[in-house]
Amino acid sequence: EAQVTQNPRYLITVTGKKLTVTCSQNMNHEYMSWYRQDPGLGLRQIYYSMNVEVTDKGDVPEGYKVSRKEKRNFPLILESPSPNQTSLYFCASSLSGQVNTGELFFGEGSRLTVL
Amino acid sequence: EDQVTQSPEALRLQEGESSSLNCSYTVSGLRGLFWYRQDPGKGPEFLFTLYSAGEEKEKERLKATLTKKESFLHITAPKPEDSATYLCAVQGGSSNYKLTFGKGTLLTVNP
Repeated sequence: EAQVTQNPRYLITVTGKKLTVTCSQNMNHEYMSWYRQDPGLGLRQIYYSMNVEVTDKGDVPEGYKVSRKEKRNFPLILESPSPNQTSLYFCASSLSGQVNTGELFFGEGSRLTVL
Repeated sequence: EDQVTQSPEALRLQEGESSSLNCSYTVSGLRGLFWYRQDPGKGPEFLFTLYSAGEEKEKERLKATLTKKESFLHITAPKPEDSATYLCAVQGGSSNYKLTFGKGTLLTVNP
């Protein structure tokens, strides 16, 4: 079954404690992206990756890091989480970075609370 | 900067009562306009891609249309299972493949 898998799905943590949200896709997609979704603000892109070892900033990259060492994995790293990073996070992928980038497969989401 | 405005924010329909959702956009060189459906607690699910004015796409009770300034998602004879948030997104020619999402329309269909 084609899917994008995120872990953890739910996490409560404290300010400053480093955490990683993993994302894995099994569709051999080139393009992967991270979004955060907040009430009243909609979906905003954090980082994206056109292919292995190619990443770039989205609209709200501050406080986040990513890496793309393998095609299937695109982890999101919060080095020192703060309460304003409390949000619902989605990982998404699409077949190609150049064509039909907007036809995204989304994961189920990771709800993060930073106290 | 690309912009997407969706209206209304929320829409409540009776089962069988057809209606339309609006997505107005401002973009420099449209590469594509995309519609998604999002159920509570789930990730968005891709529905349609529209590339140029005049284009239409259909899927079951949904039909998406596109003009140079807006897109409509027409829902014909909706059922309660069509209840969801519908998201519109655009990809502009100068956006370096970035999608800009609207805030969505929450559709509720009552039996």
